[in-house]
Amino acid sequence: DAKTTQPTSMDCAEGRAANLPCNHSTISGNEYVYWYRQIHSQGPQYIIHGLKNNETNEMASLIITEDRKSSTLILPHATLRDTAVYYCIVRARFNKFYFGSGTKLNVKP
Amino acid sequence: KAGVTQTPRYLIKTRGQQVTLSCSPISGHRSVSWYQQTPGQGLQFLFEYFSETQRNKGNFPGRFSGRQFSNSRSEMNVSTLELGDSALYLCASSTTGLSNTGELFFGEGSRLTVL
Repeated sequence: DAKTTQPTSMDCAEGRAANLPCNHSTISGNEYVYWYRQIHSQGPQYIIHGLKNNETNEMASLIITEDRKSSTLILPHATLRDTAVYYCIVRARFNKFYFGSGTKLNVKP
Repeated sequence: KAGVTQTPRYLIKTRGQQVTLSCSPISGHRSVSWYQQTPGQGLQFLFEYFSETQRNKGNFPGRFSGRQFSNSRSEMNVSTLELGDSALYLCASSTTGLSNTGELFFGEGSRLTVL
């Protein structure tokens, strides 16, 4: 089962782009990369997911390297409300998600 | 459309007791997963049910069990509680059948404290 590695914490200035990296070097060909965030012990919130191609939605963009061994979540204009723990996850079969430790993103005014 | 509902939100038990937590998924979702979150171990997968069948389980002792009913509602049970079972227990539902895509929708969790 593929695991992920993320930096423990990152800082970002309000209004700037936040780029959160993730390594998943053991990912299998049919395993998706998901990103969730968790704000102060609330249930994790879905952000975005992808397989091979870059993805964008109203919340964020996901850039996946060609070899699929790493990815970057981009929050284009971070706000104070984006302060949270961000989890990069590889999804195994039957909804088994490995959450890892996540990155604590601190958005500062 | 109502989200994932977990009950109770907070509860306190003593060592040796047992506890049952309940989860009502989003209407139409047939998959329910359970996760345990602690400060030391983070979010850990417990098990997943789909159409009343457990399809996958994590590395937890047999004291942790679950089931799913025909209406997709799920319960998890922890017997012979230990101090280390104190955690936030999260339930998530999904529409996913056999494919390996689809997002999880999480509830707010049940916070269990074992004294």
